[in-house]
Amino acid sequence: DVKVTQSSRYLVKRTGEKVFLECVQDMDHENMFWYRQDPGLGLRLIYFSYDVKMKEKGDIPEGYSVSREKKERFSLILESASTNQTSMYLCASSRGTGYSEQYFGPGTRLTVT
Amino acid sequence: AQSVTQLDSHVSVSEGTPVLLRCNYSSSYSPSLFWYVQHPNKGLQLLLKYTSAATLVKGINGFEAEFKKSETSFHLTKPSAHMSDAAEYFCVALMNTGFQKLVFGTGTRLLVSP
Repeated sequence: DVKVTQSSRYLVKRTGEKVFLECVQDMDHENMFWYRQDPGLGLRLIYFSYDVKMKEKGDIPEGYSVSREKKERFSLILESASTNQTSMYLCASSRGTGYSEQYFGPGTRLTVT
Repeated sequence: AQSVTQLDSHVSVSEGTPVLLRCNYSSSYSPSLFWYVQHPNKGLQLLLKYTSAATLVKGINGFEAEFKKSETSFHLTKPSAHMSDAAEYFCVALMNTGFQKLVFGTGTRLLVSP
């Protein structure tokens, strides 16, 4: 059974803290994605990666960075968390090029106070 | 630019009655389109996909969707709602960028009452 796991379901951080969100997939997928989900806005792509050490900006990369040192792991980093980054963060993975189904993790609900 | 519009933020139905979730897309070409479902506290799951083959697409759990180019629509239907169908549904388009960039609608929350 395919599986995408995220390190935390709920996270509370203070403004200015550096925050790491971890995502691991066990399907040997080449592609990994980070989305942000907000009510009334759907999902918006923050960053994606199509190979180890490769990364591409999505639609809303400002305030975020990513790291992909191993194929199965994709980390989202908030260098200095702000209250407007309070949101649900979803990780996804897929294989190969062209379209193939994206498999999503359960999400991390981050609150920045 | 490609975009997806879900016309209803909330839809309420009674168990056993039909479900209709509406989606319109904007694109200069025929896109690939998908419906995803998100149950509470769970990740998104693919319900069905349209990739320029048959215009009527059948998915999991009795859902289906029809691609209508003339109306630029891809509405999701189910003949008879079940309580377990209560969830949020996203209509999604694949951008023609040479990579797998998905464009999400804003979501429709389906409420099912007994």
